[in-house]
Amino acid sequence: DIVMTQSPDSLAVSLGERATINCKSSQSVLFSSSNKNYLAWYQQKPGQPPKLLIYWASTRESGVPDRFSGSGSGTDFTLTISSLQAEDVAVYYCLQYSDTPKYTFGQGTKLEIK
Amino acid sequence: QVQLQQSGPGLVKPSQTLSLTCAISGDSVSSNSAAWVWIRQSPSRGLEWLARTYYRSKWYDDYAVSVKSRITINPDTSKNQFSLHLNSVTPEDTAVYYCSRATYNGYLDYWGQGTLVTVSS
Repeated sequence: DIVMTQSPDSLAVSLGERATINCKSSQSVLFSSSNKNYLAWYQQKPGQPPKLLIYWASTRESGVPDRFSGSGSGTDFTLTISSLQAEDVAVYYCLQYSDTPKYTFGQGTKLEIK
Repeated sequence: QVQLQQSGPGLVKPSQTLSLTCAISGDSVSSNSAAWVWIRQSPSRGLEWLARTYYRSKWYDDYAVSVKSRITINPDTSKNQFSLHLNSVTPEDTAVYYCSRATYNGYLDYWGQGTLVTVSS
């Protein structure tokens, strides 16, 4: 199975500052035939299910604020929040869907306000 | 707008069967462009995919190796829902269980509200 490893495990950022979360896969999630990376990012707040933010590594889901962006290719990916807002406090997960149905998630990164 | 509404007991005794249902609105369990998935979340195992069902001229299902001998996922077209049955449960099966929709391309876009299932006598 593809192992997804996020860093850091937790992160404290000041309001209005940039937050960066990394995700590394144990093998490439890039499909050369489509040139698409099968990587998604989710936000989870306490007591709620994960919410889809980004898919295809960099495509923002409808309704997601543009301060959220995704980048990377192959095995290394980044979720960036350009200007942290109080409502962004949550745990963030990456998900690979290149090896469906064997979906695998990262362990999560807890984002807090400094 | 797709909505997934989960139902089922929050407490199951060891060795018994855990059964949950996910009712779909805004889409069809028989859709040719979606799949239906169960995932669980626990502090020890994180987010773990368990099972998938989908219809492409016939029904298909897939299961995680870790639970394959104990699990069944069933679509119910008459009620537009799908269910999870996990038998011979132990305290290690204690988790929040989620149902979710997978798009044709594979990523998970809609989720149920989650059900905390505790395995305890």
